[in-house]
Amino acid sequence: DVKVTQSSRYLVKRTGEKVFLECVQDMDHENMFWYRQDPGLGLRLIYFSYDVKMKEKGDIPEGYSVSREKKERFSLILESASTNQTSMYLCASSSWIMNTEAFFGQGTRLTVV
Amino acid sequence: QQQVKQSPQSLIVQKGGIPIINCAYENTAFDYFPWYQQFPGKGPALLIAIRPDVSEKKEGRFTISFNKSAKQFSLHIMDSQPGDSATYFCAAKDGGATNKLIFGTGTLLAVQP
Repeated sequence: DVKVTQSSRYLVKRTGEKVFLECVQDMDHENMFWYRQDPGLGLRLIYFSYDVKMKEKGDIPEGYSVSREKKERFSLILESASTNQTSMYLCASSSWIMNTEAFFGQGTRLTVV
Repeated sequence: QQQVKQSPQSLIVQKGGIPIINCAYENTAFDYFPWYQQFPGKGPALLIAIRPDVSEKKEGRFTISFNKSAKQFSLHIMDSQPGDSATYFCAAKDGGATNKLIFGTGTLLAVQP
């Protein structure tokens, strides 16, 4: 089974802190994605990556950056956390070569105080 | 800009009823339309999906109806059960190699015993 693992289920950070959210997938997928989920807004794409060291902005990239140094790992970075970044963050991976669906991790509930 | 519009936001049905969730899209380049199911505390998981060359797809109690000319698609759950209570997201895949998914805002379904 495909496994997408997010490093933390719950995280509480202070305003202004630099925050790292980590995601690892074990199926050699080329594509990895970071979404945030908010009630009434669905899943909104923050950033995605289609290869190592490659990244593209999604719909709401402001205040975030990403890093993909290895194929299996995709990190989301909040350079200076703010309270409006309190949300559920979901990582996903997929393969266009194998034409797979997107597989999601369990999510990280981030609270910025 | 919401490229995939989903309704209703929430839905309550009795056990055995047939909840229907509707989605509409704008971009005619979308080439794949999945539905994801999300239980509390879990990441979304693929439920069923359809491509635009097919008007209907059934998998067990779940059916997608697709109307290409109207740019609409819907999910029907036959003989709904309390275990179907979850949040349902429709999505559309951006044509191309990145498999980027655009999600609707989600429907919270409650099936009462």
